[in-house]
Amino acid sequence: DSGVTQTPKHLITATGQRVTLRCSPRSGDLSVYWYQQSLDQGLQFLIQYYNGEERAKGNILERFSAQQFPDLHSELNLSSLELGDSALYFCASSVAWSSGGAGTDTQYFGPGTRLTVL
Amino acid sequence: QQQVKQSPQSLIVQKGGISIINCAYENTAFDYFPWYQQFPGKGPALLIAIRPDVSEKKEGRFTISFNKSAKQFSLHIMDSQPGDSATYFCAASHRRGAGGTSYGKLTFGQGTILTVHP
Repeated sequence: DSGVTQTPKHLITATGQRVTLRCSPRSGDLSVYWYQQSLDQGLQFLIQYYNGEERAKGNILERFSAQQFPDLHSELNLSSLELGDSALYFCASSVAWSSGGAGTDTQYFGPGTRLTVL
Repeated sequence: QQQVKQSPQSLIVQKGGISIINCAYENTAFDYFPWYQQFPGKGPALLIAIRPDVSEKKEGRFTISFNKSAKQFSLHIMDSQPGDSATYFCAASHRRGAGGTSYGKLTFGQGTILTVHP
């Protein structure tokens, strides 16, 4: 158990709909990353938040958005869903890396949310 | 320039044999190279990681070999066991900025499906 939780585990919805995926990072981790895993694209970075602020963006579609709340949990919102959005969505968290050199780059992944768009 | 290329796509090894998975990267700014193991229905889990200031790191049966000049790194699994059967991903990331928060978004290889026969 990585300590990262994601809900729901499975999500089945129709094209055009909107869904919200939720992630709770490990206790003490300030950074949250979202990744998408599909058969054709592999594991791809979507977006990163650190302590409530967006820090890095990958190949995230404009129909997708995310945020990190004061309690550090994060939500990934997917709207106007298309068949091609069907994938596994993973959240990962890592401890803050300080300028003093302490910390780690290790990212701990949650169990994922399997999204199926019909 | 952000790509990480992984080979082979699949690998079949007999119990007790050595499994070798290779990765190559292009971005010389990468400074952290982890390997993740993923079982079906689970999130990726960190197996072992290396930084470019060392050429080899060993943890139990798992060894990373790193060749900075060739921009290649590999995972060796000694005495492979049926329980090692999983998908393995190499990845790379880099910190940005002088101190402060690690961005650390991971760029993943395409994955290798390892099957260890008893």
